[in-house]
Amino acid sequence: ETGVTQTPRHLVMGMTNKKSLKCEQHLGHNAMYWYKQSAKKPLELMFVYNFKEQTENNSVPSRFSPECPNSSHLFLHLHTLQPEDSALYLCASSQGGQGAKVNSPLHFGNGTRLTVT
Amino acid sequence: AQSVAQPEDQVNVAEGNPLTVKCTYSVSGNPYLFWYVQYPNRGLQFLLKYITGDNLVKGSYGFEAEFNKSQTSFHLKKPSALVSDSALYFCAVRPPPGTASKLTFGTGTRLQVTL
Repeated sequence: ETGVTQTPRHLVMGMTNKKSLKCEQHLGHNAMYWYKQSAKKPLELMFVYNFKEQTENNSVPSRFSPECPNSSHLFLHLHTLQPEDSALYLCASSQGGQGAKVNSPLHFGNGTRLTVT
Repeated sequence: AQSVAQPEDQVNVAEGNPLTVKCTYSVSGNPYLFWYVQYPNRGLQFLLKYITGDNLVKGSYGFEAEFNKSQTSFHLKKPSALVSDSALYFCAVRPPPGTASKLTFGTGTRLQVTL
């Protein structure tokens, strides 16, 4: 048990579908992240939320829409995706905040394996 | 801009032998350095970090890493490898507070430990 739970574990969707990925953390953290992991590439940071406020959008296409209703939950809404969006999407959390907290390690969920057909 | 290089896509080692997974970095100022491990079908797990102090950092599962400022390296080591150590290992770096402090990951190194 990682303390960060992602659902679903696997998702297959067509390019015209709309779906959502869900992430929940039980660690009392205040920062949450979405990462994209593709084969042979570094992890790509997509979005960062700190105390429910979006603090980073790493030039992510608008077909990916994050939502953070509270510090424990994070969603990634997907619509009209492309086949190249197929990847493992990882959610992570950390203690958050500025200053000293930047040395806090990330705690990752097990990811959602997304396949766009 | 900061960057991390993991020069080896894969490292093969026999069980019981020492292992080293290499990482070099480029960042302005004193770096914060991390190692994470990813087992199949799982997310990344934190192994260890260097913030300040002793250059040799000890972490989970018997792993350690040595910070070398002159060589800008942070290689991951273990004295005696286990088959269960086989996984994907990621090095990551971020600059200290007061800068655009984003965590940057390397491309990962697959460690294969055989009997």
